Amino acid sequence: AQSVTQLDSQVPVFEEAPVELRCNYSSSVSVYLFWYVQYPNQGLQLLLKYLSGSTLVKGINGFEAEFNKSQTSFHLRKPSVHISDTAEYFCAVSLNSGGYQKVTFGIGTKLQVIP
Amino acid sequence: DAGVIQSPRHEVTEMGQEVTLRCKPISGHDYLFWYRQTMMRGLELLIYFNNNVPIDDSGMPEDRFSAKMPNASFSTLKIQPSEPRDSAVYFCASSLAEDGVQETQYFGPGTRLLVL
Repeated sequence: AQSVTQLDSQVPVFEEAPVELRCNYSSSVSVYLFWYVQYPNQGLQLLLKYLSGSTLVKGINGFEAEFNKSQTSFHLRKPSVHISDTAEYFCAVSLNSGGYQKVTFGIGTKLQVIP
Repeated sequence: DAGVIQSPRHEVTEMGQEVTLRCKPISGHDYLFWYRQTMMRGLELLIYFNNNVPIDDSGMPEDRFSAKMPNASFSTLKIQPSEPRDSAVYFCASSLAEDGVQETQYFGPGTRLLVL
C-alpha cells in the first residue's frame, strides 16, 4: 500500500518570499502524484499532478513541483507567494499499477502568508 | 458546469438522530467518493463508487454509516444513529477515469456536521 508524508503541519512565510512545501511518499511500485489546495470553508481543488513524462510539473497560480524518484519526494514550490495563497495544501498519491487505484491524501500543510 | 453539489452545507443534530448527506456529482463522471475531514485524522476516504457500484467501503467507520448511489447523478451518505464523534466536514468528490488512469478529483464544498 502507498502512503504519503507531509513533513510540515504549518509553514509561515512573508509575502513575496519563496516557499517550499515538502512531501514524501512510500510505494513499492510507480506512482501518480498530486497536490491539492483547500481555501477556507471550501473543498479541495487540484493544483498540479504528475502522471508521467517531465519530472517538473507546473500548475495553477504559479506553483510547480518536482518528482524525485530517488528521494521519493514531490515537493511543491512557488518563487513568490501572495496573501491569497494562504490555504491548506495536500499532497496525494495513487499507484500506477494498472486499473483504477484510490488516492491517499497526506495530513495537509497550512501555508500562512504574512503581509 | 455547476461542479459537485452537496447538501446541506451545514447540519446540526442531536446524538441518536439520523443524518443524511446528499451529493450530485459532475455530469459524465464515473467515480464518486465520500471523504471525512477532521483536525485529528485529516482527510479520510470513506467509500467510493464506480458507475454507481460501491467498489471500496473499507473506510466506512462502522455499521452506523451507509452510502448509496441509486443513479449516476445522486448519492447519499447516511449516519444512523449519529454520535458526537461523527462531527466533521464530509466531502463528496467525483472524477472521470480515462483509459483507467486516475484523473483529477473534483470536490464539493462539503457538509459541516455537528452532532451534539
